[in-house]
Amino acid sequence: DVVMTQSPLSLPVTLGQPASISCRSGQGLVHSDGNTYLNWYQQRPGQSPRRLIYRVSNRDSGVPDRFSGSGSGSDFTLKISRVEAEDVGIYYCMQGTHWPFTFGQGTKLEIK
Amino acid sequence: QVQLVESGGGLVKPGGSLRLSCAASGFTFSGYYMSWIRQVPGKGLEWVSFISSDGTAMKYADSVEGRFTISRDNAKNSLYLQMNSLRAEDTAVYYCAREVKTAGYWGQGTLVTVSS
Repeated sequence: DVVMTQSPLSLPVTLGQPASISCRSGQGLVHSDGNTYLNWYQQRPGQSPRRLIYRVSNRDSGVPDRFSGSGSGSDFTLKISRVEAEDVGIYYCMQGTHWPFTFGQGTKLEIK
Repeated sequence: QVQLVESGGGLVKPGGSLRLSCAASGFTFSGYYMSWIRQVPGKGLEWVSFISSDGTAMKYADSVEGRFTISRDNAKNSLYLQMNSLRAEDTAVYYCAREVKTAGYWGQGTLVTVSS
């Protein structure tokens, strides 16, 4: 299975400050169809996961533009330009290239 | 808007069976691959299974292969997960999700507890 390693696992951030989460995969995530299936999800307390970013850098409809995704190969990053109170939750990266699809351990973002 | 509503969870004894359902609305169900993903309370996420749009192809995680069966009824816009020979380690919230490689929409989940 492809291991997805996130860092940090805990991320205390001051309101209005930027935040960054790293996600590294145990092997490259370029699919034979040419796409890289690396997605980011946000799980707020008591809610189901919500997709923020798909295929590395495509932001979902309704997701604030302070969220951005980047990376290639096996090294990916989710950035929040200015953290707001509603961003509290756990963030997961997920690879959909190699079966079984796998998730990172999650990064818990909290307000400092 | 896209809605996925899971049902069928509950408390079951080890070795027992349960059938989960997911009612889909707000999109052309028959046009999408569908998935089941689970989350142990307070823990991480594990992909359980997915099924093709026409129901002819499916894959399973090694941890459930031979015990769980995914199916769908496109006429009823519904996805199912038949779970047999349940174990304590199957205790989790089970989510249905639209799509496979990008899992864009998730339901609210249904809790399955396997305990004597």
